[in-house]
Amino acid sequence: RKEVEQDPGPFNVPEGATVAFNCTYSNSASQSFFWYRQDCRKEPKLLMSVYSSGNEDGRFTAQLNRASQYISLLIRDSKLSDSATYLCVANPNTGNQFYFGTGTSLTVIP
Amino acid sequence: EPEVTQTPSHQVTQMGQEVILRCVPISNHLYFYWYRQILGQKVEFLVSFYNNEISEKSEIFDDQFSVERPDGSNFTLKIRSTKLEDSAMYFCASSDLSGGNTEAFFGQGTRLTVV
Repeated sequence: RKEVEQDPGPFNVPEGATVAFNCTYSNSASQSFFWYRQDCRKEPKLLMSVYSSGNEDGRFTAQLNRASQYISLLIRDSKLSDSATYLCVANPNTGNQFYFGTGTSLTVIP
Repeated sequence: EPEVTQTPSHQVTQMGQEVILRCVPISNHLYFYWYRQILGQKVEFLVSFYNNEISEKSEIFDDQFSVERPDGSNFTLKIRSTKLEDSAMYFCASSDLSGGNTEAFFGQGTRLTVV
C-alpha cells in the first residue's frame, strides 16, 4: 500500500477557475504534511505546510483531516503560472524519509 | 536565503563507471536525504542520513550506492558501476526538524545520464 496517494490527473482548467486536489496518507504516525510544487525538470519546492486548523496563503488553502487521514489543496482564481505538478508529502518527523505522493498535474489554460 | 546546492548540474557517464554526486546542505540542518526521479515518474526515496549514519534506506539503495559526509559541509552520493537504469534526476535535501521547521529543502538536482 502506498504511504501517500494522490489522483495523478491531469487537471486542465481555464484561467480563473478554482481547482481542488486531494491526498490520503496511510501512516497514522505522520506528523507534518506539506504541499510541494514541482515544475518540469526542476526540484520540488515547498508551497505550503498543512495544519489541522487549515491554513491559507493568498489564493491557496490547505486543509488536514487527521481522523480521515486526508489532505487537500484548493487553488482559487487559477493563473497560467500555477501550471505544475503538485506533490502531497507526509513526514513522521523521525528524521526518516518524507513520503511523497505521485503528484497531481495541473495545466491552466488561457 | 539559505539553500541546498548540488554539483554537477548534469553528469554523463558510461555504463559501469562510478559517479559521485555532491551536495552542500543548509548549514544548520542535521538531516540529509537523497531522492531520485526518473523522467516522467514519481520522486523516489533513496536514503536518509543523520549523525553520520544512515537512518533509513529504500530497496533502491543497494550495495551499488553509498553516502558519505566527508567534512562538515558536504554530503555525497556515490554510485558504483552505473547502469542505464540509473539515469535520473538526483535530488539532495536537508531538514532541521526542530521547533516548527519540519519541511525539507531540495537542491536543484543533478541530472545523471548513463550511456
